[in-house]
Amino acid sequence: AQSVSQHNHHVILSEAASLELGCNYSYGGTVNLFWYVQYPGQHLQLLLKYFSGDPLVKGIKGFEAEFIKSKFSFNLRKPSVQWSDTAEYFCAVNWPGTYKYIFGTGTRLKVLA
Amino acid sequence: NAGVTQTPKFQVLKTGQSMTLQCAQDMNHNSMYWYRQDPGMGLRLIYYSASEGTTDKGEVPNGYNVSRLNKREFSLRLESAAPSQTSVYFCASRTGQEVDTIYFGEGSWLTVV
Repeated sequence: AQSVSQHNHHVILSEAASLELGCNYSYGGTVNLFWYVQYPGQHLQLLLKYFSGDPLVKGIKGFEAEFIKSKFSFNLRKPSVQWSDTAEYFCAVNWPGTYKYIFGTGTRLKVLA
Repeated sequence: NAGVTQTPKFQVLKTGQSMTLQCAQDMNHNSMYWYRQDPGMGLRLIYYSASEGTTDKGEVPNGYNVSRLNKREFSLRLESAAPSQTSVYFCASRTGQEVDTIYFGEGSWLTVV
């Protein structure tokens, strides 16, 4: 079955530390990839997306992600986190032409001031 | 531009009661979704509607019904609420094209006692 794995469930960092959150998906082929962020008590907001082209994509708030097709991975990175990045982060995969958006179980990031 | 609007935001139900969650989008999207979010389980698809006039089951449809009233509106009904349906419910929509992004409403917090 198609699935998305996020390896880190809880991450605690100090401000200015670097961040990398892992995301792997189960099937190959062409995929659309997304990272969403959910701030406490809010809905999911799109952070960045990859459809095709340059595998290194930049999103809002200084986030970026790299698509590595051979590893079925789409890891999220930020060089220097801020307290305001405290949130839950979800990776999602869509197979073009299908209705399915499969979400990972999320990673809760807490940034200490 | 309101995007995806859900009502109500908060609701407490007694076991066995029924209720309907309303969702409307103003982005002229073809496809609409209902997800539930539970701690440690990410987002799970309840039902989706690929286009006006069609609905299909997702991963966890039991205990729910949906209606795609028109292109804008997609409602989720709990006929006889159970404590296991205590969750946060998110409506979402997308254009339905092969390469596009899914957008979320602000969520409905439902507690069944």
